[in-house]
Amino acid sequence: DAKTTQPPSMDCAEGRAANLPCNHSTISGNEYVYWYRQIHSQGPQYIIHGLKNNETNEMASLIITEDRKSSTLILPHATLRDTAVYYCIVRFPTSGTYKYIFGTGTRLKVLA
Amino acid sequence: DGGITQSPKYLFRKEGQNVTLSCEQNLNHDAMYWYRQDPGQGLRLIYYSQIVNDFQKGDIAEGYSVSREKKESFPLTVTSAQKNPTAFYLCASSQGSRVDRGELFFGEGSRLTVL
Repeated sequence: DAKTTQPPSMDCAEGRAANLPCNHSTISGNEYVYWYRQIHSQGPQYIIHGLKNNETNEMASLIITEDRKSSTLILPHATLRDTAVYYCIVRFPTSGTYKYIFGTGTRLKVLA
Repeated sequence: DGGITQSPKYLFRKEGQNVTLSCEQNLNHDAMYWYRQDPGQGLRLIYYSQIVNDFQKGDIAEGYSVSREKKESFPLTVTSAQKNPTAFYLCASSQGSRVDRGELFFGEGSRLTVL
């Protein structure tokens, strides 16, 4: 099973871009990368996902390296409400469905 | 509104007692999952199910049991065999293999404290 590695914590100034890295060097060709965030021990919320192309939505951008061994989540203009724990997850097919393996996450603190 | 409902939100039990956590979804999702989260830690997969009457062990299934008698429901029992049951438990669901996006939807969690 592919595992992910993330830095335990990061700070970012409000209004600046937050760039959160993730290493998934053992990822296989059909395994997607997902990003979620969790605020105050609530249920994690979906942010974005991708396979090999860069992706962008209203919340964030996801940059995946060409060899797919790492990715970066970009929050273009971080606000105080973006303070949370961010999880990089690999989804892989198994037994007719998918398993989602969470790493330990990065605690992002957005500073005023 | 569609979503996942977990109950109870907080639960206290004495050591040695079995506890069942409820998880119900009305999203018509095929796949359901149970995760455990300890303070300052990531989520670890306990059990998952892709269809009614079928489920698989995750990474930390020892001391837990589940059932999937209905598509909407996936209860988790924390048995007395679980050595350290105090934790935050999260239930999730997804459309499974039917669609590519496969986003996981989470409930709000159940916090179990064993005294």
